Amino acid sequence: GAVVSQHPSWVICKSGTSVKIECRSLDFQATTMFWYRQFPKQSLMLMATSNEGSKATYEQGVEKDKFLINHASLTLSTLTVTSAHPEDSSFYICSARGGVSGTSADTQYFGPGTRLTVL
Amino acid sequence: GNSVTQMEGPVTLSEEAFLTINCTYTATGYPSLFWYVQYPGEGLQLLLKATKADDKGSNKGFEATYRKETTSFHLEKGSVQVSDSAVYFCALTVMRQNFVFGPGTRLSVLP
Repeated sequence: GAVVSQHPSWVICKSGTSVKIECRSLDFQATTMFWYRQFPKQSLMLMATSNEGSKATYEQGVEKDKFLINHASLTLSTLTVTSAHPEDSSFYICSARGGVSGTSADTQYFGPGTRLTVL
Repeated sequence: GNSVTQMEGPVTLSEEAFLTINCTYTATGYPSLFWYVQYPGEGLQLLLKATKADDKGSNKGFEATYRKETTSFHLEKGSVQVSDSAVYFCALTVMRQNFVFGPGTRLSVLP
């Protein structure tokens, strides 16, 4: 149980285009999901907290107009990187907070990550 | 505020060696403590956790004990394998607030 998937697992795009990344909780409902960014050999940086049915809460320094987050259902959150540039290239990881269906409310369950490369 | 400190490594060990990765924390309130593991090119997997003082989390031969008096949650394994090579993150959460991660410790196990 407590499986989180991400799609795509990797994507290459041209500068100026937009890219959508999906995060799904496969066997439990998640009212809260999180989006992280990870640079090579570094720890995770929390970008935003995504709450089902409401606006995401962004961390300081994260551009909400550039990183659009939508949490339209209890099992799906999406991150859209708009007008991507090479500096947006990174490893993006989502997680879902448990609390239902046998999952723990104090635990985050992570997806496998999406590697974005912007040319 | 809440924070996690862990040895950054890299840590290089021979197969079957004993592993310790230190983790200490500061927290406002009573935290739950976690160890996550990240294999190359993958997301984070929950390795073990503990939610109250003196609890011992264990999984796949790894153990960590929640020590409130020393605010520590050191990760140990008696005999590492090459397949344990990964990055290990210590983390905490208080009252279901956002997770706070340590910087990660890269472990390389040589055959």
